[in-house]
Amino acid sequence: DAKTTQPNSMESNEEEPVHLPCNHSTISGTDYIHWYRQLPSQGPEYVIHGLTSNVNNRMASLAIAEDRKSSTLILHRATLRDAAVYYCILKETSGSRLTFGEGTQLTVNP
Amino acid sequence: AAGVIQSPRHLIKEKRETATLKCYPIPRHDTVYWYQQGPGQDPQFLISFYEKMQSDKGSIPDRFSAQQFSDYHSELNMSSLELGDSALYFCASSYRDSSGLYGYTFGSGTRLTVV
Repeated sequence: DAKTTQPNSMESNEEEPVHLPCNHSTISGTDYIHWYRQLPSQGPEYVIHGLTSNVNNRMASLAIAEDRKSSTLILHRATLRDAAVYYCILKETSGSRLTFGEGTQLTVNP
Repeated sequence: AAGVIQSPRHLIKEKRETATLKCYPIPRHDTVYWYQQGPGQDPQFLISFYEKMQSDKGSIPDRFSAQQFSDYHSELNMSSLELGDSALYFCASSYRDSSGLYGYTFGSGTRLTVV
């Protein structure tokens, strides 16, 4: 699977928007961009995924660059419960496994 | 909604003992995955099963084996346990939707401690 690059850590204040970046310059045309997050002592949790167009769901928004070499996960209003490690993962449509790289540890300050 | 169920939640074993971890996927999910997450590490893929057949293999030690049963539950068997096997073991299940995408749901994990 193509590699992604994320900042090791980010900090935000409660009630403010958070933009978590991910670079994936070697993305292929069949790779979907997935975001998962892992709260302390819990299993990873699906957040959102997309291919080319921006995506919105109840948890977050995903903004994908026109050249698809980067994407940004947007949490519109961070809460303390959003403190987690956020993983950006590329996965082929036909692929099976999710390959976790080094995600971003998000800290939310009250 | 039913989630992925893993048992036991915690397990303590001595070196060289064996351990069996169980995973019950979400109903109608056809694929089960096992991941290992060491302290301070990211989850590492071990093995997966699709329709009871091994579908993919990652960095699973030869001392470990797994299978998926007719009711779709899966078991991860670990023998000759070593201190380095102490980790969180996650199971995930997924389905293939009409677009060919996979939706993954993870269990809460089994924390294995080898002493």
